[in-house]
Amino acid sequence: DGGITQSPKYLFRKEGQNVTLSCEQNLNHDAMYWYRQDPGQGLRLIYYSQIVNDFQKGDIAEGYSVSREKKESFPLTVTSAQKNPTAFYLCASSIFLGPYEQYFGPGTRLTVT
Amino acid sequence: AQTVTQSQPEMSVQEAETVTLSCTYDTSESDYYLFWYKQPPSRQMILVIRQEAYKQQNATENRFSVNFQKAAKSFSLKISDSQLGDAAMYFCAYRSAEDKGGAQKLVFGQGTRLTINP
Repeated sequence: DGGITQSPKYLFRKEGQNVTLSCEQNLNHDAMYWYRQDPGQGLRLIYYSQIVNDFQKGDIAEGYSVSREKKESFPLTVTSAQKNPTAFYLCASSIFLGPYEQYFGPGTRLTVT
Repeated sequence: AQTVTQSQPEMSVQEAETVTLSCTYDTSESDYYLFWYKQPPSRQMILVIRQEAYKQQNATENRFSVNFQKAAKSFSLKISDSQLGDAAMYFCAYRSAEDKGGAQKLVFGQGTRLTINP
């Protein structure tokens, strides 16, 4: 089965700790994306990557970092510099060009206390 | 920058009836794609329907259809014969068709929560 996996589904961390969210896809998509979703709001883009070893900041990149060492993987690190890290995080991938939708993973709920 | 607005935070409809969800967007581009995504309680985002701006014909997918008004920058979603499984958050999203850095990112509206009454 092709798809996107995110792990873990729920993640709890203490304030001041960095935490890394996993995202893996086996759809052979070039582009991958990280979104943040807060209650009552739409999705906001954190980072995106169009090809391996290249990534770009989205609209709310401050306090986050990413890497893209493999086509299949696009992990997101939530650093201690992120002021409000508690949120639902969604990873997506897509074919880079054309009228193609983004496919989403099941998401990770991060709670920082 | 492009923006997407969904003016209805919540909607409800009786099972088997028809409901229309509104979406407007702002862009200076002429070529783009529009999408409706569904997010059920599982929170998995699922594509409902897509529209390519250069196509005049409104997209349809079974019970789901859109009313795309390019001049008015409006992209509403009509759900016919509503079913209990249609209950979800619905997000309208915009994506540029131009191949420039970052053009492939989606811009989302705030969402509309749809409730189906049995």
